[in-house]
Amino acid sequence: QKEVEQNSGPLSVPEGAIASLNCTYSDRVSQSFFWYRQYSGKSPELIMSIYSNGDKEDGRFTAQLNKASQYVSLLIRDSQPSDSATYLCAVHNTDKLIFGTGTRLQVFP
Amino acid sequence: DTGVSQDPRHKITKRGQNVTFRCDPISEHNRLYWYRQTLGQGPEFLTYFQNEAQLEKSRLLSDRFSAERPKGSFSTLEIQRTEQGDSAMYLCASSTTGDLDEKLFFGSGTQLSVL
Repeated sequence: QKEVEQNSGPLSVPEGAIASLNCTYSDRVSQSFFWYRQYSGKSPELIMSIYSNGDKEDGRFTAQLNKASQYVSLLIRDSQPSDSATYLCAVHNTDKLIFGTGTRLQVFP
Repeated sequence: DTGVSQDPRHKITKRGQNVTFRCDPISEHNRLYWYRQTLGQGPEFLTYFQNEAQLEKSRLLSDRFSAERPKGSFSTLEIQRTEQGDSAMYLCASSTTGDLDEKLFFGSGTQLSVL
């Protein structure tokens, strides 16, 4: 079992819709979680972090964490074509971040 | 200082040659990480430094790989006797803390192609 698992996609949504990206992790003691966005040919950039169960909102982005289910998600409201990218889930594990394989999101006009 | 800087951006080498990459972190960041990323995969942890001390290396990392951060500022990653399987994007990242709120900032990466 991989430490951090994501569906590779692609996830295709129409412009203006809500995109829902999911991630599960295996280490139950993990306490902090991150979402990074990576455009093709570019390096990852941090979108959000979350540490507590529940929802955390930042603009059009909402991160959700359920530690009991070992599940993290990212919702993107009012999706725009510029949101088309790969979204990487990362879990803090003994002084380093462990990344999932990423989910490719395609937002079509 | 606007971000993490990596050099070179691209490197093409022949199998068996040695290559060295450089990373300059954000100036106030005392942690520096090296990751490797291949197409369709997420970044894979290689090693990290706290100041000049190398605190962890991935157990998957071949002995052909070595990293240094001699003065706690810039870091180098050397690959000896390169193999075609070493072809990847090598990413450097830096951060200020090692706590739960640690946020990594990535450089643009060095794309290595081994022919």
